Amino acid sequence: GNSVTQMEGPVTLSEEAFLTINCTYTATGYPSLFWYVQYPGEGLQLLLKATKADDKGSNKGFEATYRKETTSFHLEKGSVQVSDSAVYFCALSNTGFQKLVFGTGTRLLVSP
Amino acid sequence: NAGVTQTPKFRILKIGQSMTLQCAQDMNHNYMYWYRQDPGMGLKLIYYSVGAGITDKGEVPNGYNVSRSTTEDFPLRLELAAPSQTSVYFCASSWGQDNQPQHFGDGTRLSIL
Repeated sequence: GNSVTQMEGPVTLSEEAFLTINCTYTATGYPSLFWYVQYPGEGLQLLLKATKADDKGSNKGFEATYRKETTSFHLEKGSVQVSDSAVYFCALSNTGFQKLVFGTGTRLLVSP
Repeated sequence: NAGVTQTPKFRILKIGQSMTLQCAQDMNHNYMYWYRQDPGMGLKLIYYSVGAGITDKGEVPNGYNVSRSTTEDFPLRLELAAPSQTSVYFCASSWGQDNQPQHFGDGTRLSIL
């Protein structure tokens, strides 16, 4: 079946540090891949997506590349800010009914 | 744009009580979803709907019911609340294609004591 594995958190960084959050997946066929972000007390918001192999999704300085050969979709940002503190979820969809399969989430804490 | 609106934001129930969590969207999306989020467990799909009058079970449907009489509304019903249903519930909507994102409400935090 489909599954998503994310690195355990929390990830604690100082402002302006480089961020990587690992995400690997198991799926049949060619899933679409997503990163969602959840700020405290809010629902999930789409951060970026990639719909085919080698696609790079990007938004707000965050990037992730769809690597089919390693079944990965790692999230990166060159310089994090305090305002990036949130929980980040990797997810995939390939059922034809857009039923997302989520990872367990990774909490990011950025200190000044 | 209101997007996806969930009510209430917080609720405390006693074991055995019933309640309905409301969800409405104003984007004319055909697909709607209910998830529960437990600490450290990510989101699990409870029920989903591909259009008015059509619903189907997700990964964790036991103890819940849904209905979809209109495109806009997708209420979730808990008939006999149990402590295991203490969670944060999220409603979402989308156009339904795999490459399209889901839009989430702000959630309902439900405690059952």
